[in-house]
Amino acid sequence: GENVEQHPSTLSVQEGDSAVIKCTYSDSASNYFPWYKQELGKGPQLIIDIRSNVGEKKDQRIAVTLNKTAKHFSLHITETQPEDSAVYFCAASIAQGGSEKLVFGKGTKLTVNP
Amino acid sequence: GAVVSQHPSRVICKSGTSVKIECRSLDFQATTMFWYRQFPKQSLMLMATSNEGSKATYEQGVEKDKFLINHASLTLSTLTVTSAHPEDSSFYICSWSGTTEQFFGPGTRLTVL
Repeated sequence: GENVEQHPSTLSVQEGDSAVIKCTYSDSASNYFPWYKQELGKGPQLIIDIRSNVGEKKDQRIAVTLNKTAKHFSLHITETQPEDSAVYFCAASIAQGGSEKLVFGKGTKLTVNP
Repeated sequence: GAVVSQHPSRVICKSGTSVKIECRSLDFQATTMFWYRQFPKQSLMLMATSNEGSKATYEQGVEKDKFLINHASLTLSTLTVTSAHPEDSSFYICSWSGTTEQFFGPGTRLTVL
């Protein structure tokens, strides 16, 4: 089945710096790659996603890149702010039994220091 | 994005009792929904996929007789943890399958004493 690896597990940056989180996946049939932000005690919130027909997508300070050949995708956050501090999860979607299942990475705890 | 609610947000129960968690999609309808479990400082693990009107499909290692899923409508699903034990203490999160993404609920914190 699909396996998603995420690095680093923790990341600490200074406010205003950029943060990059990387994920790899194993199933070449995966075609949807969302990124979620989860604050303590809350459900995950979709922040950006990308499908396999594009290589890059940007939304203000957040961007995602996808390399299907290498089977890896990355989240880029520029001009980080303290409110960006949270746990970020990548995921890859595989079609199974008529629905699309999400397989999550282990998460990255991002701390943005003022 | 779509709004999903879960009730209760947190529950504490004694070992051996059953707990029901409700997940509602408030502003859209979907045939397929998912139940996840998240232990402290770990990732979300899919427990089961549920289609309205059908039996849920459980992931390997998840006991279907322990985690009962009732998905009777396009906007409501319930997860019942039967005979709960301390090892079932976890954060339970539901999601509904939209056209292009999954919409997650806020989660339910279950603590079994």
